[in-house]
Amino acid sequence: GENVEQHPSTLSVQEGDSAVIKCTYSDSASNYFPWYKQELGKRPQLIIDIRSNVGEKKDQRIAVTLNKTAKHFSLHITETQPEDSAVYFCAAIVTGTASKLTFGTGTRLQVTL
Amino acid sequence: EPEVTQTPSHQVTQMGQEVILRCVPISNHLYFYWYRQILGQKVEFLVSFYNNEISEKSEIFDDQFSVERPDGSNFTLKIRSTKLEDSAMYFCASRVDRGYHGEQYFGPGTRLTVT
Repeated sequence: GENVEQHPSTLSVQEGDSAVIKCTYSDSASNYFPWYKQELGKRPQLIIDIRSNVGEKKDQRIAVTLNKTAKHFSLHITETQPEDSAVYFCAAIVTGTASKLTFGTGTRLQVTL
Repeated sequence: EPEVTQTPSHQVTQMGQEVILRCVPISNHLYFYWYRQILGQKVEFLVSFYNNEISEKSEIFDDQFSVERPDGSNFTLKIRSTKLEDSAMYFCASRVDRGYHGEQYFGPGTRLTVT
């Protein structure tokens, strides 16, 4: 089955700096890659996603890149703010009937003042 | 904006007891999921459900687990005889069928504590 690796496990940046989180996946049939943000004690919430036919997608301060050949994708957050502090999970899906999410291990992002 | 809801928010039970976790997916969604997250770990897939039957289940979802959609709105996860290692946050999710993909919307979770 699919396996998603995520790095780093923790990341501390100063407010205003950029943060990059990287994931790799194993199943070449995976074709949809969402990123979820989870604040303490809260539900995972989708912040951005990318399909396999797209190399890059941007939404204001966040962007995601995908390299299908290398089977890795990354989340980029620019101009970080304290409210960006949370755990971020990447995920991969082989879309189809079930379309289950396979999550990475998570990155705890701490944005310091 | 419609949301997935879950009850209860926190359930404490003794080992060996049965628990039922309840979810109300978003009304026009067709696919339903249960995931769990052990404290400090990643979210793990348990089961997916479509057209009144299980479409896929993980190794975690053994004979102690079952799911049901007893009416047009509720989606339940039953654990027949709870174990200490079942302690986790259980998330329900749903999505509408949009062909290529559809965002999975998560509920707020039920924290299950088995003592």
